[in-house]
Parts: sequence; C-alpha cells; structure tokens
Amino acid sequence: EVQLLESGGGLVQPGGSLRLSCAASGFTFSSYAMSWVRQAPGKGLEWVSTISGSDGSAYFADSVKGRFTISRDNSKNTLFLQMNSLRAEDTAVYYCAKLVGHYYLDPFDYWGQGTLVTVSS
Amino acid sequence: DIQMTQSPSSLSASVGDRVTITCQASQDISNYLNWYQQKPGKAPKLLIYDALNVETGVPSRFSGSGSGTDFTFTVSSLQPEDIATYYCQQYDNLPLTFGGGTKVEIK
Repeated sequence: EVQLLESGGGLVQPGGSLRLSCAASGFTFSSYAMSWVRQAPGKGLEWVSTISGSDGSAYFADSVKGRFTISRDNSKNTLFLQMNSLRAEDTAVYYCAKLVGHYYLDPFDYWGQGTLVTVSS
Repeated sequence: DIQMTQSPSSLSASVGDRVTITCQASQDISNYLNWYQQKPGKAPKLLIYDALNVETGVPSRFSGSGSGTDFTFTVSSLQPEDIATYYCQQYDNLPLTFGGGTKVEIK
C-alpha cells in the first residue's frame, strides 16, 4: 500500500525558513517523480514543485522559484521541500504527491494527508 | 501559463441525479487532463486521467470526455458519498495548473 506522510509544517515568521519532509513507502521511491502541491485556506490547488524520478531534475512554480528547493533521498525514501524567505502568501496546506511515472509531466496518483504551514508574525 | 476554467463553481443536486462539470483550457492540451475529488479535510484523489480513463477502484458512475480545449466530467447517478470539490488539472506543460474547483452538494 502506497503511503506518503508529510511532516515539518508549523508557524514561521515572514522571512523565515522551514523544511518539509515526506516519508514514502509501499513503492519503489527512486523510480517515480514526486511533487509538492499546496492549498491556501479555503482556496484551490496550486502546484509548487516537481522532482523527476529519472535524473532528479527539478521544476518550480514562478511563485516560489529562487526561494524553495526540492530534493529527495532515495536511500531513505524521503522527499524534501526547503522553503526560504517565506511570505504570508505561502500559508497553505502542503501536500506531497506521487506521480504515476518517472516523468515530470504525469498525473498525481497518490497524495499525502498534508502539513500546514502558517507564515505570520 | 495554461489557464483552466472550470464551471460551475458550485452545484446542488439530488441523489440519483446526473451531474456534469466542464473544464476549458486556454490552449490545446490534447488529452493531458485529469480530474480529482477532494472531500472536506482530506487530500485530493485521482478519479480520471488522460481525460477519459477511470483510475483503478473508482466507481463506474464517474466518467470523463473531451480533448483539445474542452472537457467534461460526469457523475451518472450522484451518491451521498460524492459530496466533495472536484478539480480538473492539465499536465500538458509546466506550470501544472488546476481549475478553480466545483463544489458539489446534495439538494
């Protein structure tokens, strides 16, 4: 059974940093692209970043480019999102999502339960 | 960026009704279109991929159609457990973009 468990969310001041983790199990983690998708309170879904499963290439939404970094540790089946220079508009539930294949343009077939990031002074 | 325009933003229907949601892309995305269901307080769930393929384990009352710029999602007979917000999403190109969502309620 595929499981994705996010952690690392919390309250952070504007300009601060936070590192999210997503522990994966139930599939061959290194073979699949992985993404972060966020949802601001009461709002819709917004893609944040994807890392491919083949060569580790990373892709970002313009809204987070230069501030967020995505990485993966295939030996520990864990996905990360390093978030720097956080802004109030980054406040959201952050979901870890698995893609159906190794390619960065694929559907999301499994999602974690999400972790809440609140940016506020 | 490819804009995804979803309508209606909300609807109310009776149990057993046929429910249809539309999604229009701002440019041709072929069949690179998915539909997700999100129940309150839960993560999204993939229902339909490649515009018309039903994900394994998803009830057959859910279906999708369309290609190019115009897509349709249908629930053939609405059930109480289908109360949720539904999102379309294109994966033809980055950035990946979602429709604004359709909140489905029971009348």
